Amino acid sequence: ETGVTQTPRHLVMGMTNKKSLKCEQHLGHNAMYWYKQSAKKPLELMFVYNFKEQTENNSVPSRFSPECPNSSHLFLHLHTLQPEDSALYLCASSQEGQNTEAFFGQGTRLTVV
Amino acid sequence: GESVGLHLPTLSVQEGDNSIINCAYSNSASDYFIWYKQESGKGPQFIIDIRSNMDKRQGQRVTVLLNKTVKHLSLQIAATQPGDSAVYFCAERDSGYSTLTFGKGTMLLVSP
Repeated sequence: ETGVTQTPRHLVMGMTNKKSLKCEQHLGHNAMYWYKQSAKKPLELMFVYNFKEQTENNSVPSRFSPECPNSSHLFLHLHTLQPEDSALYLCASSQEGQNTEAFFGQGTRLTVV
Repeated sequence: GESVGLHLPTLSVQEGDNSIINCAYSNSASDYFIWYKQESGKGPQFIIDIRSNMDKRQGQRVTVLLNKTVKHLSLQIAATQPGDSAVYFCAERDSGYSTLTFGKGTMLLVSP
């Protein structure tokens, strides 16, 4: 248990569905991240939120829409995804301003059919 | 040994051997480095970190070495155990940014 909880752990969705991934951190951190992990690729940073404000969006398609209502919760809203979006989506949190590690959740394994 | 192309580099060792996993980075402004371990079906877990003002740091059975001259990071695992089998990632942080940049990962396979 790392203090970062992601739900659901597994998700299968059709290309016309709308779904949301949820992340909650219990560590008192002020920065949260979404990463995408595809097979045979490095972890790809998608979005960064510091103090609830989005500070990075790494050219992610608009079919992925993040939401950070407070510093403990982070969502990733999914709409009209493509099969190539199937991957493990990882949420992480850290304390901005300190050189410390990021803590990861267990991830959501997403399959788009 | 290492594979080329799209395959994840793999290191196969026998239980009890020492393992060395290597990582090259390119950003000379990176000042903080981390090794993560990722087991199948789980998120990455922190193993050990090192700041750029150090060249070696030891933990329990693990040692990280940093060579800033050649931009090289290594993770040494002593007396490797089957439970050490996982994918190992290095990550670096640029001194001007908060986010981590991850390497591709190396799969460590430990045979009993």
